[in-house]
Order: sequence, then structure tokens, then C-alpha cells
Amino acid sequence: ETGVTQTPRHLVMGMTNKKSLKCEQHLGHNAMYWYKQSAKKPLELMFVYNFKEQTENNSVPSRFSPECPNSSHLFLHLHTLQPEDSALYLCASSQARQAEYEQYFGPGTRLTVT
Amino acid sequence: AQTVTQSQPEMSVQEAETVTLSCTYDTSENNYYLFWYKQPPSRQMILVIRQEAYKQQNATENRFSVNFQKAAKSFSLKISDSQLGDTAMYFCARRTYSNYQLIWGAGTKLIIKP
Repeated sequence: ETGVTQTPRHLVMGMTNKKSLKCEQHLGHNAMYWYKQSAKKPLELMFVYNFKEQTENNSVPSRFSPECPNSSHLFLHLHTLQPEDSALYLCASSQARQAEYEQYFGPGTRLTVT
Repeated sequence: AQTVTQSQPEMSVQEAETVTLSCTYDTSENNYYLFWYKQPPSRQMILVIRQEAYKQQNATENRFSVNFQKAAKSFSLKISDSQLGDTAMYFCARRTYSNYQLIWGAGTKLIIKP
């Protein structure tokens, strides 16, 4: 595997379910990101991890819980979601957090909350 | 608010034509990076081109070039000799040295017709 991978690619869950999204990067990067992408809206940054430490939490509801066990893996734990949480969730990584480093994206997980 | 604006929600051109996508942004900082990302229908977001604000020379990558007007806070993307594979969503984004977050535009859907 190369680049940034995400599983599952599609997920349908009820509002009372608990599920997790997984992201793995094979690039040796130290920073990882979760974004939410909704139609016709700018990407919304949710969380940033740098060397496994969370550095940004952009006022994300607590029903989204990130976990970064090491620099290569990032999880997003989901529980009691709302229908408006349906979106494409993108994971990205970069060599470091600084502005000049390109972010590499995974293919995303299409989440539908019923 | 620090924003990035893409005024063209959708554009459509014939194959081999040249197309220009517009982007304007707002920032009070002098040093920053600007990016154009491409997201094909398969959803994997990839970097097309980037521009450092301190460089006056416009960036070029093969058929892709930018017109960076710092005073006007404008950053347009020109695609020459467009190809069917250029069909995608194109996102403009800005990142400053002081704030590591990428600020995204809402995107332009570009359709290349055969």
C-alpha cells in the first residue's frame, strides 16, 4: 500500500450506532488531519495531530472522538451521530504541520447517518 | 473572517481548450502559501500546483499555471490544452505561517467535454 488509505470507503449507520473510521499513511509523515467534506461547502478541518499529539480541535462535537496511537494511524470514533453528520470524511497527512508542507489525502469515507 | 472565494461553482469547456478558474482570498498576513487541489470523481484529492506568496514569479506545472496577483489577493488557475482527465472539482486553499490550517474555497466543478 502506498500513500494514504482509509477504511471503510462507505459506511451507513443509525443514530444510535458506534463505528470507527480508520486512516493509515505509508509516507513517514508526522502530521495527520481529519476533514469533513459536505457538498458545495469548503472543507472543514476537524482535528490535527502532530507527532501523535492533538494540536487542533475545531469545535467539533464530542460525538466525534479522534485517536492517534502512532504517527501512521488515525482513527475517528463515531457515536450517536445526527443525520447532518452525513458527509465525506477525508484523512490527510503531511511531513510536518508547517505551512509549506503539502498535505496528502486519502480517498475518504462516505458516511450516511440514517 | 479569513476566507477563500471561488466564484465559479461550475464550468464546462471543450477538450483542448484553455480554461481559467478564479480564486480570491483574504488575509492580513504577508507570508503564506496558496494551493490548487484537484478532486476527480474517484475522490482522491491531489495537489495540482502551489505558490509561495513571497515569490513574484507565477508557478507552472506542465499544462497548469497560475496568475498570482498579491495586491489584488487573486490566485487563478489556468489549464491549457484541457484533457478529459482534467474533469474534477478544483479547490483553492491558503495557508499562513502563523496558522497552519488550510483555508479552503467551496470548489469549482470543471467538466471537459469531448
